[in-house]
Parts: sequence; structure tokens; C-alpha cells
Amino acid sequence: GAGVSQSPRYKVAKRGQDVALRCDPISGHVSLFWYQQALGQGPEFLTYFQNEAQLDKSGLPSDRFFAERPEGSVSTLKIQRTQQEDSAVYLCASSLVIGEQFFGPGTRLTVL
Amino acid sequence: SQQGEEDPQALSIQEGENATMNCSYKTSINNLQWYRQNSGRGLVHLILIRSNEREKHSGRLRVTLDTSKKSSSLLITASRAADTASYFCATDAESSGAGSYQLTFGKGTKLSVIP
Repeated sequence: GAGVSQSPRYKVAKRGQDVALRCDPISGHVSLFWYQQALGQGPEFLTYFQNEAQLDKSGLPSDRFFAERPEGSVSTLKIQRTQQEDSAVYLCASSLVIGEQFFGPGTRLTVL
Repeated sequence: SQQGEEDPQALSIQEGENATMNCSYKTSINNLQWYRQNSGRGLVHLILIRSNEREKHSGRLRVTLDTSKKSSSLLITASRAADTASYFCATDAESSGAGSYQLTFGKGTKLSVIP
């Protein structure tokens, strides 16, 4: 595709529900990043994949957050037992080389 | 945690004026980048400046980098209403041992350009 796509664009979950957010990176991009952006803040790093390997998950806020990229392309960020503080926009980015990252439109998660 | 801060937090100018935003960061960097984000949308890459560069231009954008002061500025000349957005600086540096060059963002400057 032409750019990074994410789905769903909006997700409303009741507290305690599990959610799964999908990211389709630009074809051929080796690196994939997930960020979390709270209202009025800049994005914060969650996790990084190089192909299918998750090389850095230091930004995941708790063990309720899990990400995978089994075939080195599409990635899924899963949040178990969602809580209100998980409400944020979740951004995915991909890159081919160190430097510019291409961002998707994000998924806005609201936990009630 | 946020790497740095943009200054000002909000800026309102008339169309045609220049807009200057500043960014400070804390640690050594590989590159510094500026991104734009329209309300409810994803981030759009504007310009990247490497740590060994001091100034870079792209269209109406001019970015400077002072690594001794750990600061950068973004100048948008002849602003347009369509420039209304939030602007973020982001630095990248290798996360120790992981080979990850994740971006560390500031909180952003909200720019409003009044027609």
C-alpha cells in the first residue's frame, strides 16, 4: 500500500475487555514501532520490531500489553483487561532505514 | 518519558507571518526530526536534521540544530491557514543494545494560523 494503515480507527471498550489493534506497515519496511499518545501529549514509545523479532519492549506500560509481528509484516498490539488509563491514540510507524518513520493514522481507544 | 520540550506550547499568528518553534532535548542524539499532526490524524514527517548538521531547509521550512545547547528551532515562513496543526520535535538515539532507534517526542507546539 501507499502508506501505513491501522484498524480500527476508533475503538470503544468497556473496562476489563480485551482489545486488538492492527497495523499494516509499508511493504518492505523492516522496522515497526508502536507508540501511545495521551491527550495533549507527544507520542511515547511502546515497542519495536525488526522483521518478526521484538527487539525492544521497554516502553510497554504493563504485562497487560502484548505485541506481535509473526511474519514480519502485519503487527497486532493487544491490550488485556483494559483500564481507563489505557485510553489514548495508539500509533504505528514503519521505517526502512534509521531516521524517518512513517506513521499510520492511529487507533483512538476509549475505555469506559 | 518525554525527551524534551517544545516552546511555546501554543502559538497564534496571522496568515503570512512567520512562526518559530523551539525544542530542547536532554541526551545525545543521532538525528532530530520535526513532525506535524493535524487534529485527530497521524504524524506527518516534515524534516530531518542529522547531529552533524547545523541548518536545513525544505520549502518554507527552516530547521536549525545546536547540539552544544541541545536545542533546535523550526521556522515556518509565510504561514498559511493550512499550517494550523501541532508540531513535534523528535530525537532518535539507539536504545542500548536493542538496535532500536525509537523516537522520543516532546509535548508539541499547537500552532494556529488565522486567515
